[in-house]
Amino acid sequence: GQNIDQPTEMTATEGAIVQINCTYQTSGFNGLFWYQQHAGEAPTFLSYNVLDGLEEKGRFSSFLSRSKGYSYLLLKELQMKDSASYLCAVRDDKIIFGKGTRLHILP
Amino acid sequence: GAGVSQTPSNKVTEKGKYVELRCDPISGHTALYWYRQSLGQGPEFLIYFQGTGAADDSGLPNDRFFAVRPEGSVSTLKIQRTERGDSAVYLCASSLIGAETQYFGPGTRLLVL
Repeated sequence: GQNIDQPTEMTATEGAIVQINCTYQTSGFNGLFWYQQHAGEAPTFLSYNVLDGLEEKGRFSSFLSRSKGYSYLLLKELQMKDSASYLCAVRDDKIIFGKGTRLHILP
Repeated sequence: GAGVSQTPSNKVTEKGKYVELRCDPISGHTALYWYRQSLGQGPEFLIYFQGTGAADDSGLPNDRFFAVRPEGSVSTLKIQRTERGDSAVYLCASSLIGAETQYFGPGTRLLVL
């Protein structure tokens, strides 16, 4: 079966660093996405990993280990606007989303 | 440039009625996806089009749901005999074939009373 797990909620402080983990078990794998979704809005693309390792893009970085079925999204220098849900999604023959991690940023 | 647009933005209907939801993808994007998202959940895959044909419709929950894309651009998701459990946000996304980034529309919020 297809399964993607990520924490339901996390809380962090403005200016700090937070790591959101995602583990997956899928029949196939052709890449892993991270999306950001603010309440009441559509998801927006953050990153895409297909090979093992760390991809850095400004304040956001995404890591993938295919052998472990594991990824994380690292957010640095947190800002209040980073309060949102973060969705992990795996591309098999289609794209399967996790339930998302709701991130709360405290001042 | 214009992004993905969806109409209507909100739709309230009664149980048993028929509804149509429309998606206008980004111009030139040949791949189009429909998802359904319930509160507190991630998007659930429904159907994927490449051009005019449905490349994968395995996510459609039952035969009350149908989608078309007759000219390879605009797509319509059709729901017959709506049920209260169909209430959700229906998201459309498009991408270039071979590209990995999907661009999502704002969604249609469907409420079945």
